[in-house]
Order: sequence, then C-alpha cells, then structure tokens
Amino acid sequence: AQTVTQSQPEMSVQEAETVTLSCTYDTSESDYYLFWYKQPPSRQMILVIRQEAYKQQNATENRFSVNFQKAAKSFSLKISDSQLGDAAMYFCAYRSLGGAGGSEKLVFGKGTKLTVNP
Amino acid sequence: DSGVTQTPKHLITATGQRVTLRCSPRSGDLSVYWYQQSLDQGLQFLIHYYNGEERAKGNILERFSAQQFPDLHSELNLSSLELGDSALYFCASSVDSGSYNEQFFGPGTRLTVL
Repeated sequence: AQTVTQSQPEMSVQEAETVTLSCTYDTSESDYYLFWYKQPPSRQMILVIRQEAYKQQNATENRFSVNFQKAAKSFSLKISDSQLGDAAMYFCAYRSLGGAGGSEKLVFGKGTKLTVNP
Repeated sequence: DSGVTQTPKHLITATGQRVTLRCSPRSGDLSVYWYQQSLDQGLQFLIHYYNGEERAKGNILERFSAQQFPDLHSELNLSSLELGDSALYFCASSVDSGSYNEQFFGPGTRLTVL
C-alpha cells in the first residue's frame, strides 16, 4: 500500500519570503499522480498543484512550484512571495492511475500547518 | 465553490444513533469518493463509487455503508455511532474513473457525536 509522509507538522514564514514544505511517499508503482492540497480555516480542500510521475518537468502554478524527485520519492512544495492568504494546512497526496477496475483514491499525508507572519 | 454539495453542514447526535450524510457531485461527474478527516487519523479514504457501482473500499467500518443512486448523488450511512466517529466527512467527485481527473471536494459535513 502507498504511504505519504509529511515530516513537518508546522512551518512558519515571513510575508513575501519563500518556504518549502516537504513530502515523501512510498510506492511500488511506476506511474502515479501527486498533489498538494490546501485547507484554509474554512476547511475547504483546494487543489494547489499536481504532478504526473511520468513527467520529468516540475509543475508550476504561479507562486507555487514543486521539486519532484522520483528516485528519492520526494515531492516538496515551494511557495514564493508568501502571502497572508497562504496560511493554511497543506496536504500532500498520492493517487494511483487506477484503470482496470482500480480506484483513484487519494492517499494523504498528515499535513503541515503553515503560518504566515506579517 | 467546487460544485460539489454536501448536506447537512453540521450534525450533532448521540452515541448509538444513526445518521445519513448526502453528497451531490458536480454535474456530469460519475465518480464519488468519501473521505473522513479526524484529528487522530488524518484524512482517510472510505469508499469510492463509480456510476452507481462500488469501486473500492478503504478504511470504512462495518457500521458505515454508502450507496450511489441513479441520479449519481451519494449517501453515507453511519450507524451505532461512537464518540470516535466525530469527524469531518468529505465527499469528492470526478468526471470519470481513470486518467488524470481532478477530484473536487465538497465543503464537508461536520459530525459531532456526544
């Protein structure tokens, strides 16, 4: 079974600075998807960024980028120019390809609480 | 707004009772997933339905059951409730099963068992 580990329960960053959240995962599959979700105090789960394992290029979405190291099974999230609105819980998630009757369930890490200081 | 709706938003009940949580997926989405978020267990996958059929089960207790109806809405039934069942229950939907389909999450139902 796949597992996802987020080793940083809490992180803090100064507004306008850069912060990196860590995530490692364990899988025997060669193709899969990885995601970062944001959960603000409203509790809504919001997709921040996603990465296909077969793509070597790291995904980027505006101020959010990932460092995907497939061999090391590492998937970190970098937030540049941090804003107060970035304060939230961040969850790393793994998803199998599914197919052949399989499920595309998400396997989540425990989360990292990010505080942004003004 | 993800387009996924969940009712009720909050539910307070007593131990031993039974409740039903409802989820309406985005228009056109065939897959519905249920997740439980609790302080001690984190976010855990419960069950996945695709076009009315059960596709996969996760850490779902035998006291819990779910179904997806012909109109694609889904219900999660929790019975013989215990204090430890208090959690935030999310429903997510996606267009199809397989390939690269984003799961859109509903706002969740907060269940409190007293």
